[in-house]
Amino acid sequence: DAKTTQPNSMESNEEEPVHLPCNHSTISGTDYIHWYRQLPSQGPEYVIHGLTSNVNNRMASLAIAEDRKSSTLILHRATLRDAAVYYCILRDVAGGTSYGKLTFGQGTILTVHP
Amino acid sequence: DTGVSQDPRHKITKRGQNVTFRCDPISEHNRLYWYRQTLGQGPEFLTYFQNEAQLEKSRLLSDRFSAERPKGSFSTLEIQRTEQGDSAMYLCASSFGVEAFFGQGTRLTVV
Repeated sequence: DAKTTQPNSMESNEEEPVHLPCNHSTISGTDYIHWYRQLPSQGPEYVIHGLTSNVNNRMASLAIAEDRKSSTLILHRATLRDAAVYYCILRDVAGGTSYGKLTFGQGTILTVHP
Repeated sequence: DTGVSQDPRHKITKRGQNVTFRCDPISEHNRLYWYRQTLGQGPEFLTYFQNEAQLEKSRLLSDRFSAERPKGSFSTLEIQRTEQGDSAMYLCASSFGVEAFFGQGTRLTVV
């Protein structure tokens, strides 16, 4: 599985935007970029995913570099409820392994200050 | 549907005992995954089912671990002869499309 690199931790203030970076220099053409987050004492939850184009949903935006070697998860206005561990994951959809396993790294611990 | 359900939420067992965990996925989800998570680490993949077929097993899954998904519905994960190193959170996830839905996990403590 292709590897991702994320900062160990980041901090933000409430109601400010947060940009969570992820490097994936060995990404292949069939890798989708997925983001999950894990709130304290909860299982991970899906945030967003994309392949080449930037993506927006009700939770966040995903900005993907033109060469796809990096991406950024954007929380437009952080709230205290956004404090969590954020995981950037590459998921191969080639061949018969579509929607297969997620390989988690250590993620980025986001702290949101009131 | 209330999401992925795992039972029990907590389990304390003595070293050497066998334990079994249950996962009830979201209805109609054909894919089911088991993960293990220790403190400060991201979840580690253990095994994957598509319907009732176990299609992938991690090398982490020693011969003391076995998982089943009879009839492609609920799944069980059994650990035989538990060791202290098995203490962890065991997470189950299910999916039908892109998004995987996780349960809240079963926390196992081996004493």
